[in-house]
Amino acid sequence: AQSVTQLGSHVSVSEGALVLLRCNYSSSVPPYLFWYVQYPNQGLQLLLKYTTGATLVKGINGFEAEFKKSETSFHLTKPSAHMSDAAEYFCAVTWGAGGTSYGKLTFGQGTILTVHP
Amino acid sequence: DGGITQSPKYLFRKEGQNVTLSCEQNLNHDAMYWYRQDPGQGLRLIYYSQIVNDFQKGDIAEGYSVSREKKESFPLTVTSAQKNPTAFYLCASSPRGVMTETYGYTFGSGTRLTVV
Repeated sequence: AQSVTQLGSHVSVSEGALVLLRCNYSSSVPPYLFWYVQYPNQGLQLLLKYTTGATLVKGINGFEAEFKKSETSFHLTKPSAHMSDAAEYFCAVTWGAGGTSYGKLTFGQGTILTVHP
Repeated sequence: DGGITQSPKYLFRKEGQNVTLSCEQNLNHDAMYWYRQDPGQGLRLIYYSQIVNDFQKGDIAEGYSVSREKKESFPLTVTSAQKNPTAFYLCASSPRGVMTETYGYTFGSGTRLTVV
């Protein structure tokens, strides 16, 4: 079955520290990958996406993610956390015409990022 | 600017009442979706529609109904049959089918429904 897993429902870092949020998928079909951010009582905003081409993707607010096919991963990173990064982050996947979820995104369970002063 | 508008932002419902949440988009997207969000449970798909006058049940459709009479609009009705409707509801849209691969979804700002 095609699925996406976010490891760690809560991640806590200090301001200025590295942010690493993990996302793994399971499928033999090539994925299209997305990271979204949600601030309290708001909708989801697209941070970045991998479709084709370069496997290191840069997004907004200094975030980036690397697609690693051998590890079936798409982890989100930011070198230095800021207080304003505190939010919930969702990894999402679609598998295109070869997958059972054609035309729809499948979302991970979300990771809440807390940033301490 | 193009986007998705959800209204109202906050909604209070008495037990036994039906309520309708509005979702309007001016992105010319074919597909629209409704999700329910509860703390610690991620996003759960209620209904989706890939084209006007057609929609499909998602994972938790019981107690909900939708219509898709216009491309721009996809209202969600929470019926009295939904036993625990208090939640945050999100509407999203995307280009149809294959375009979702490169575009992803655009989300509205959500409606928080509370049963009183």
